[in-house]
Amino acid sequence: GAVVSQHPSWVICKSGTSVKIECRSLDFQATTMFWYRQFPKQSLMLMATSNEGSKATYEQGVEKDKFLINHASLTLSTLTVTSAHPEDSSFYICSARVQLRNTEAFFGQGTRLTVV
Amino acid sequence: KQEVTQIPAALSVPEGENLVLNCSFTDSAIYNLQWFRQDPGKGLTSLLLIQSSQREQTSGRLNASLDKSSGRSTLYIAASQPGDSATYLCAVGDDYKLSFGAGTTVTVRA
Repeated sequence: GAVVSQHPSWVICKSGTSVKIECRSLDFQATTMFWYRQFPKQSLMLMATSNEGSKATYEQGVEKDKFLINHASLTLSTLTVTSAHPEDSSFYICSARVQLRNTEAFFGQGTRLTVV
Repeated sequence: KQEVTQIPAALSVPEGENLVLNCSFTDSAIYNLQWFRQDPGKGLTSLLLIQSSQREQTSGRLNASLDKSSGRSTLYIAASQPGDSATYLCAVGDDYKLSFGAGTTVTVRA
């Protein structure tokens, strides 16, 4: 299957700082990538849809000024958590599809963010 | 809004036993359903993708069925092994989004 690489796999940062997470599709081009958040023992919650060359689409309740998404190329999307607080500590996972609709979704390895 | 439920939340079986994992969803207007495996602290590994027009998909010891009209899918894992211990997630797809269940955590005892 297609490979999606996410970096870093874990990060610890101080409150008030910003953290950038990268998501790359290694062997295919992805015009659309998806960012999820997962709390312990809970399901994945879609945060936003990242569209190459245009603004991201955020799900209801997700602060777009706090979670900045940039999709500058067909193989790279970034999520920046700005002014991080301890409640932002979570597991963040990105996903991409070769094409939309009826195609398999592939996921990155996830990033464990801990804000202290 | 699509709601996806997975029962049971946790399952423990002895090695060699067959596993049956259930997934139900509220809106039958889906494009596809995908089963994933997640190891602790890791990302998701795609196991099987079933299109809405299909009734089942098979890969090795894995078999997934889909009954769209009743809003159900079942993942069967034959002859379980300790390496099958993980959390299994089902996700229902509309035209581009996936809605996830909370998962079933499986422990296979040696």
